[in-house]
Amino acid sequence: DAGVIQSPRHEVTEMGQEVTLRCKPISGHNSLFWYRQTMMRGLELLIYFNNNVPIDDSGMPEDRFSAKMPNASFSTLKIQPSEPRDSAVYFCASSSDRYYVGGYTFGSGTRLTVV
Amino acid sequence: AQSVTQLDSQVPVFEEAPVELRCNYSSSVSVYLFWYVQYPNQGLQLLLKYLSGSTLVKGINGFEAEFNKSQTSFHLRKPSVHISDTAEYFCAVSGRGSARQLTFGSGTQLTVLP
Repeated sequence: DAGVIQSPRHEVTEMGQEVTLRCKPISGHNSLFWYRQTMMRGLELLIYFNNNVPIDDSGMPEDRFSAKMPNASFSTLKIQPSEPRDSAVYFCASSSDRYYVGGYTFGSGTRLTVV
Repeated sequence: AQSVTQLDSQVPVFEEAPVELRCNYSSSVSVYLFWYVQYPNQGLQLLLKYLSGSTLVKGINGFEAEFNKSQTSFHLRKPSVHISDTAEYFCAVSGRGSARQLTFGSGTQLTVLP
């Protein structure tokens, strides 16, 4: 298995532009998580999907952030419009309920810089 | 709901010395416990986990951790560290029910000095 795949690895964009981050979970995993990591706030859970349905989006900071999971193999996190304070590393992670082995598998992250 | 406290934000240690990274948790229900490691510019990698059974769990790279229910702790240890162990280490907890969301601590930066 190739693991959790995130794209792009790095993204530099100008303030006000739309940014879309992508995630492909491990095949067969039915839970997907988006995290944001910054020096100031550490790891923050943004949103959690189970069986493609958003279960908890209480961590989504503002209406500028939205996430979708149209099918079991793909999810997006969109920021529109982007702001400099959105600069962070965004991680996607997945896990399986049926074959729970403990914990999540993380992707390598997308480093977002908004200038 | 659960919470995790990592008592040390930075731990410098000399190569080949032992190290302990401390983690305490709070929960009203039974928990699963985890340690993750993050090397520079990489994602989080599972180091070890406690799900049930023996309270002493062994992980990758020679690390081990002990679950202490009475003290609500899950400290990470290694008897002899290497330069390559320099990384950030995160303790995490989840409930045992259907909602197995991980709650992470704030992380401990381990720096191994030559």
